[in-house]
Amino acid sequence: LAKTTQPISMDSYEGQEVNITCSHNNIATNDYITWYQQFPSQGPRFIIQGYKTKVTNEVASLFIPADRKSSTLSLPRVSLSDTAVYYCLVGDDSSASKIIFGSGTRLSIRP
Amino acid sequence: EAQVTQNPRYLITVTGKKLTVTCSQNMNHEYMSWYRQDPGLGLRQIYYSMNVEVTDKGDVPEGYKVSRKEKRNFPLILESPSPNQTSLYFCASSEGGRATDTQYFGPGTRLTVL
Repeated sequence: LAKTTQPISMDSYEGQEVNITCSHNNIATNDYITWYQQFPSQGPRFIIQGYKTKVTNEVASLFIPADRKSSTLSLPRVSLSDTAVYYCLVGDDSSASKIIFGSGTRLSIRP
Repeated sequence: EAQVTQNPRYLITVTGKKLTVTCSQNMNHEYMSWYRQDPGLGLRQIYYSMNVEVTDKGDVPEGYKVSRKEKRNFPLILESPSPNQTSLYFCASSEGGRATDTQYFGPGTRLTVL
């Protein structure tokens, strides 16, 4: 059974780079690792996904080592509006359609 | 507008009184699922459906039922709600059936069982 582990919370300041790491074992071999962002009282929304190495989009970067047992979400130059809960998401090795969310990392950005 | 809708958004009920939370998506997605969110526990999958008439258990299915008679709808049924089912519930849909695929979430339903 796949399980993900993330820090419960992180604090940072505006303009800083923030890195959030998720540990995951037994993920489905052919599946991607996906990160979501959730604001209070809203459903999560997709940020970024990757399979190996590094992926970058207009919002974030995702670093995945060769063994795929962890991934790191990198948010460059955060602002107050990046205050949210961030989840990493993997498929379960028993069923790629059974979705395992981590418990999430609550990121707080200060002025 | 592509979206996932849930109704009701807020519900207060009493123990044992059957209830249904509806979920509908207009994106012709095959995959739909239900999650509950509790403080400190993140999102946990309750049930998911790969397509019409195909449903399977997630991590926390006890006390819940689902049905998928139409592609767009995926209602969550609590036959005999109990206080430990007080939670925030999210419905989601995606084009494919893997964690790979981007999931689109509804706005959430806050349920309180007294």
